[in-house]
Amino acid sequence: QKEVEQNSGPLSVPEGAIASLNCTYSDRGSQSFFWYRQYSGKSPELIMSIYSNGDKEDGRFTAQLNKASQYVSLLIRDSQPSDSATYLCAVNAFFGNEKLTFGTGTRLTIIP
Amino acid sequence: DGGITQSPKYLFRKEGQNVTLSCEQNLNHDAMYWYRQDPGQGLRLIYYSQIVNDFQKGDIAEGYSVSREKKESFPLTVTSAQKNPTAFYLCASSVKFGGYTEAFFGQGTRLTVV
Repeated sequence: QKEVEQNSGPLSVPEGAIASLNCTYSDRGSQSFFWYRQYSGKSPELIMSIYSNGDKEDGRFTAQLNKASQYVSLLIRDSQPSDSATYLCAVNAFFGNEKLTFGTGTRLTIIP
Repeated sequence: DGGITQSPKYLFRKEGQNVTLSCEQNLNHDAMYWYRQDPGQGLRLIYYSQIVNDFQKGDIAEGYSVSREKKESFPLTVTSAQKNPTAFYLCASSVKFGGYTEAFFGQGTRLTVV
């Protein structure tokens, strides 16, 4: 089983709709969870971090964490064509250990 | 301007050659990382360093070497032992606060074997 799993997509969403991206992880000791956005040919950009169960909102982005189900998601409201990118989920397994493990990413396309 | 600088942006290597990728940060971050990304793939950890003069192997360290003599610098050498080095190489550094860590990336180096 991979440590961090994401649906590779591609995921196509109409402009203005909600895009929902999902990620599961295997290590129950995981403490920190991150979403990165990566445009084609560019480096990943941190867009959301979440550390406790529940929802965290930042503008059009909402991260959701459920540690019991080992599940983290990213919702993008009012999707824009500029949101078209690959979204990478990353997990920090140990409190104080700075090793990040990434999923393979979900490619999102927003259709105008 | 604070940030993480990788150089060069593009690098071509002949088979059998060693090449060194540069990564410098002026963010005063303790930890630094090297990842490799292949087309359509996620990021795989090569090496990471949590403190000066110390580093640990990641998941795919074979054929690579690193050093961490200064806090600001974490160069990666791709040796001739790495049989398939063509990839996008990403350096990152991380900041720790309240026990949690957030990592930020440089712009990457695209290495091609010719």
